[in-house]
Formats: sequence, C-alpha cells, structure tokens
Amino acid sequence: DSGVTQTPKHLITATGQRVTLRCSPRSGDLSVYWYQQSLDQGLQFLIQYYNGEERAKGNILERFSAQQFPDLHSELNLSSLELGDSALYFCASSPYPTADTGELFFGEGSRLTVL
Amino acid sequence: KNQVEQSPQSLIILEGKNCTLQCNYTVSPFSNLRWYKQDTGRGPVSLTIMTFSENTKSNGRYTATLDADTKQSSLHITASQLSDSASYICVVTTSGYSTLTFGKGTMLLVSP
Repeated sequence: DSGVTQTPKHLITATGQRVTLRCSPRSGDLSVYWYQQSLDQGLQFLIQYYNGEERAKGNILERFSAQQFPDLHSELNLSSLELGDSALYFCASSPYPTADTGELFFGEGSRLTVL
Repeated sequence: KNQVEQSPQSLIILEGKNCTLQCNYTVSPFSNLRWYKQDTGRGPVSLTIMTFSENTKSNGRYTATLDADTKQSSLHITASQLSDSASYICVVTTSGYSTLTFGKGTMLLVSP
C-alpha cells in the first residue's frame, strides 16, 4: 500500500459526458502528479500540483483540468469525453516540488471506460 | 525529444531462471533513472533509483545497472518467482524539472 488513494477504481460512462477523478496523496506529501496510461502505451504525464499551485504541465488536453485543494487532495476533471480517453489514470505523490528528487508513490489508478 | 526505449517488449521465462531487461534513453539533462514494477491493473512500484554517479543498485533479487556514457541501463532479475510476472518500466528524470519520461515497459511472464 503506497498510501495514495484514488477513487473511483472503475468508471464507465458515455461519450460527451464529464467525470471527476479524485486523489488523496500520502500524508505530508505536497506534490500530486496525474498520469494517463492508455492500452500498450507508457505513462503520459498530464499535470502536477505542488501545495495547491500548478507546478508543471504535460500533454494535458484542454478538455481536461485539475486542481489541488487546501487539504492537498486533488481532482482531475475530464469533460466532453471521447472513446480515446478510455485509459487508466494514475495519481502519484511526493513531498518534493520536482520529480527529480525522491520517489513518486503511485495510487492504484482509476480505470475509465468511455462507451 | 526525450525518449526511453525498452527491450524486449515481452519475455517468458521459467521459474527459477534469471533474466535481464534493457533500457536505452535519450534524455537531457539527466537526473536519475528508475525502474518500476507494475502488476496488471495496479500502480507502479519503485524498485531502484540511480543517479549519474551510480553504476549498480540492488533491491533483493533485482539489480539495476547504469552506463551514463552509453545511456543504457539494465535490470537483472535473479532466481525468478511467479510473483515477478509484471511489467517492468524504465523511467528517466530530467534534472530540475517534473518531467519523467516513461518507457513502454517489458512484460515479463514467469512460467511454472
């Protein structure tokens, strides 16, 4: 158990809909990272928050947005869903502001299926 | 463009045998290289982290090597167990940034 909690574990929805994925980082970790893992693809970095502020942005679509709340949990919002958005979405946390320091601890992921 | 290439794509070995997985990268500026184990449908779990100055790092039956000159790394698994069946992902970190470049992984199946 990494200490990172993601909900929901599974989500099935239809094209055009909007969903919210939630991540609670390890106790004390200030950084939250979001990654997308599509079938047979490596993990793709979406976005990072550090202590409530956006810290780094990857290949995140404009239809996607995220935020980190004062209690440090984070939400990833996916809207106008398309079939290609079906993937595993992982959250990772760390105490540090950049990913080159220390370990990243990953949650168990949220599997999104868009029909 | 930062890239991480892993080989082989998949591998089947008999329980008790050893195996070596390869990782080549073109990432700059280099900070560290990590190996993760990802069970199917689960989150990645860190095995080793190596900086530029480290050549070898072990974690139980897992031994990672790094050649920063040739930009190559390997992960050696000794005396494989059925529980080693998983995807092994090589990840290279860019210095000073939050960018991690992930390989697509090597899928290992350990057969009884």
